[in-house]
Order: sequence, then structure tokens, then C-alpha cells
Amino acid sequence: AQSVTQLGSHVSVSEGALVLLRCNYSSSVPPYLFWYVQYPNQGLQLLLKYTSAATLVKGINGFEAEFKKSETSFHLTKPSAHMSDAAEYFCAVSDRSGGSNYKLTFGKGTLLTVNP
Amino acid sequence: DTGVSQDPRHKITKRGQNVTFRCDPISEHNRLYWYRQTLGQGPEFLTYFQNEAQLEKSRLLSDRFSAERPKGSFSTLEIQRTEQGDSAMYLCASSLGQGATGNQPQHFGDGTRLSIL
Repeated sequence: AQSVTQLGSHVSVSEGALVLLRCNYSSSVPPYLFWYVQYPNQGLQLLLKYTSAATLVKGINGFEAEFKKSETSFHLTKPSAHMSDAAEYFCAVSDRSGGSNYKLTFGKGTLLTVNP
Repeated sequence: DTGVSQDPRHKITKRGQNVTFRCDPISEHNRLYWYRQTLGQGPEFLTYFQNEAQLEKSRLLSDRFSAERPKGSFSTLEIQRTEQGDSAMYLCASSLGQGATGNQPQHFGDGTRLSIL
């Protein structure tokens, strides 16, 4: 079974500072990888996805993530944090084989706080 | 693209009552998923529909839970004899899948938050 580990349940940065949210996956075959953001009392919004093209993936709102097979990682970064980035971020994977029905397995999430 | 719609947004009910939630996916999406999210956790998969067929159910989905997607459009999730442990956010997601393509992202609704008194 696949699993996702997000290191750090809470990350706090200053406005304008680098944002780095960590995600490691456990799978014998590189899965599809996703980052979602969730604002309070809302559903999840897709930030970006990795499906096997370029290993550096650019998403919305200035976020990007790099797939590193050797490290089984898919860390999310943003060069300069904005107050509006404060939210909970989830890393998710889905199996490439159709047998899994492409359901998502999520990490426990990282709450990002941005300080003025 | 009007997005995934879920109704109601909030539901408060007494233990032992039955509740039903509705999800309207993006119109052309043939895949529909239900997830459950408890406080401080990521969403957990409950069940999956491809068109009207329910193709997978998680072990989390006890026999008190039932889901339908009668015409391959909207879906309902019913919980019978609710328990305290059912309190959670129930999220619906849909995606467009053709053949063996799993790289289409799932689009989520805003969820239904269930509180059991």
C-alpha cells in the first residue's frame, strides 16, 4: 500500500521568506503526485501535479515542486511567502495502475502560517 | 465548469439518526470519489464510482454507510444510525477518466461537515 509522509505538521514563515513543505512517498513504482491546498471550511484546491513529464512542476500562485525519484520526494516550494498563502497543504499520491481506481492517498497535512 | 457542488454544507444531527449528503460532480466527469476528513488529518478514501457503477469501497465504509450514483450524474452518501465517530467532513471529488488515464486531477467540492450531538 502506498503511503505519504509530510514532515512538519506546522510550518511558520515570515512574509517574503522561502516556503518549503516536505513530502515523501512510499511506493515501488513512482506514482502520480499532487499538492492540494485547503482553506478553512473549504474543499481542496489543486496546486500542481506530477505525472511523469518534467521533474520540476510549476503550479498556481507561484508554487512549484520537484520530483526526486532517488529521494522518493516531492517537496513544495515558493520563493516568497504571501499572507494569503496561510492554509493547510496536503501532498497526495495515486497509483499509476488502473487497479487502484486512481484513488488518492493523502499525507496528514502541513499547516502553513505566514507572519507579517 | 461550475465545479463540484455538495449539499448541505453543514449537518447537525443527534446520534442514531440517518443523514444523507448529495454531491453534484462536474458535468462531464465520469469518475466520482467520496472521502472523509477528520480534524487534523488528511482526507481518507471511502468509495469510488465510474459512471453509475460503484467499483470500490474502503474498509472504512461500514454497513451503516451506503452510496449511490443512479444515473452516473449526482451521487448520494447515506449514513444510518449515526455514531459520534461519524463526525467529520465528507468530501466529494470528480475527475475525467478515459481508459487507463490516471493523471487527470480530482476536483473537490467544499464538503459537508457532519456533527453528531
